[in-house]
Amino acid sequence: KAGVTQTPRYLIKTRGQQVTLSCSPISGHRSVSWYQQTPGQGLQFLFEYFSETQRNKGNFPGRFSGRQFSNSRSEMNVSTLELGDSALYLCASSLGQGAVTEAFFGQGTRLTVV
Amino acid sequence: GNSVTQMEGPVTLSEEAFLTINCTYTATGYPSLFWYVQYPGEGLQLLLKATKADDKGSNKGFEATYRKETTSFHLEKGSVQVSDSAVYFCALSEGMGGGTSYGKLTFGQGTILTVHP
Repeated sequence: KAGVTQTPRYLIKTRGQQVTLSCSPISGHRSVSWYQQTPGQGLQFLFEYFSETQRNKGNFPGRFSGRQFSNSRSEMNVSTLELGDSALYLCASSLGQGAVTEAFFGQGTRLTVV
Repeated sequence: GNSVTQMEGPVTLSEEAFLTINCTYTATGYPSLFWYVQYPGEGLQLLLKATKADDKGSNKGFEATYRKETTSFHLEKGSVQVSDSAVYFCALSEGMGGGTSYGKLTFGQGTILTVHP
């Protein structure tokens, strides 16, 4: 069965622009979570969506937002990009029933802000 | 809040050596515990998991036992290979569900493993 698919794999954007990243979860998985990975801060939780509703969010500014569609595919958006937003953005899919007992990650989108 | 602490790295070993990467955690409730591996330029791959105390997760020669009394989940492998070179992450999810636990894994800082022939 197909894994988690993230597009695009690489992005280069200029400060002040906005960007949209996409994640298609494993078929049958209804929960999609997003993480930011940087060398300094490690892996940090951004937010989680289940059945088109955000159920949980981490400590990131409002410039970071997301949504989920009825087919469970999810997008995250970052507006007014800053240099510090350069990171690997990972999404994870899971069944979504209660706490996470198994989560599968995509290959990530490498965002570079110049 | 929840936290995960991994042993300081990087770790450098010769092929066929024994590997231990220490992981301890702080959590409320009964978390599930995971080890993920990340190869260069890739996302995270689930290596193994344990969902309750005394469970042993195992995969590809790697093992880890959920020790509630010592709040630990150390990763071990009896004989490492060059292909095991990667970054290893210990993680937990809150076991009770609801509220701030939905979809959230808390990760350690990662341990870089390099195996030489």
